This record gives sequence, C-alpha cells and structure tokens, in this order.
Amino acid sequence: AQSVSQHNHHVILSEAASLELGCNYSYGGTVNLFWYVQYPGQHLQLLLKYFSGDPLVKGIKGFEAEFIKSKFSFNLRKPSVQWSDTAEYFCAASNFGNEKLTFGTGTRLTIIP
Amino acid sequence: GAGVSQTPSNKVTEKGKYVELRCDPISGHTALYWYRQSLGQGPEFLIYFQGTGAADDSGLPNDRFFAVRPEGSVSTLKIQRTERGDSAVYLCASRMGSNTGELFFGEGSRLTVL
Repeated sequence: AQSVSQHNHHVILSEAASLELGCNYSYGGTVNLFWYVQYPGQHLQLLLKYFSGDPLVKGIKGFEAEFIKSKFSFNLRKPSVQWSDTAEYFCAASNFGNEKLTFGTGTRLTIIP
Repeated sequence: GAGVSQTPSNKVTEKGKYVELRCDPISGHTALYWYRQSLGQGPEFLIYFQGTGAADDSGLPNDRFFAVRPEGSVSTLKIQRTERGDSAVYLCASRMGSNTGELFFGEGSRLTVL
C-alpha cells in the first residue's frame, strides 16, 4: 500500500541550528512529493514540491528538500532555523496522474529562542 | 473571500446525530478535496471532486459518510449516525484544474461527538 513515513515526531532545536526532517515514501511508479507546513492556529500551506527535474527543490522561507530515489526519501532541510519556524511539518506524496495525496503523520518542530 | 472557507469551525454533537460540514472553495478552483485529521495524525484522504462528480471516494470510511458538490463549487460533507470515533478536524482543500497545482486548505471544521 502507498504510504508516507515521518519518523521524527517532535524535534526541538535552538535558533540558528540546522534542520533536517526525514520523510520516506512507499510508492510504485512516478511519484510527486510535497512538504506542507501548519503554523500554530493557521491552515496547512505548501512549503515546496517536487514533480520532476532537479532533485534538489527550493521552497519558501529558506527551506529545501532533496529527492533521493534510491532511498525513497524526500528530507526537508534548512541551514539555520528561526523561532518563527515553530510549526508542524507534513510530508505528502501522490502518484503522477493520481489526485489522491497521502500525508505522513507530521513532525512537530519547536524552536527555542 | 480569498481562501477556502469552512463552516462551522466547531461542531459538538451527540452520538447518533446527523452532521453537515460545508466547504466553499476558492473561486475558479475545479478540484475539491475532503480530508480528516485525527489528533496526532496527518490528514487522511476522504474524497476528491473534479467539478460536480466524485472522482475518487475511496477514502470514505463507511456508508455513514457522504459528500456532494451539486454545482461544482460549494461542497457538503454529510455524516449520519455519528460515532465518537468520528471526532476529528475535517479539512477541505481546493485546487486549479491541473493535478500539479498546489492544494489550498481551509482551516477545518472541528467535530466533537459526545
């Protein structure tokens, strides 16, 4: 069955630390990959997405993610986090041509000032 | 409004009652999705509409759940004979026609079944 795994449930970092959140997917065929973020009290919004081409994808607010096909991974990174990055982060995937987007369980990120 | 609007934002009901949740997508968005998010979980797909028709309803958990989008815009998720396990945040999202487009989410309707 198609699935998305996020193994980090809660990550706590100090400001200026580097961030990497793990995401692994289990999909056959061509896969589309996404990271969504939910800031406290706000709705889910898209951080970045990968469909094809350069496996290193840059998103908003200095975030990036790398698609590694051999590892079925799409980890999210940021070199230096800020307090305002405190949020819940969701990895998601779909098969190309399929509208059904499957989400991981999410990683809660807490940044300590 | 500019975003996806969901009403009510909070709904408390008793076990066995009928509930309707409404979603007003972004104007011009042809695709509409319903997701359910339980505490500590990621959003779980329920159903997807392209225009007026349900293109994929494989995520609806059982026949107590039903959704409509009669004019290709507003959608209503209907839950019959609610159970305590139905308690969750129900999220609606919409998108332009292409399936490579971004999903825009509403703030959700929090349903609590007592």
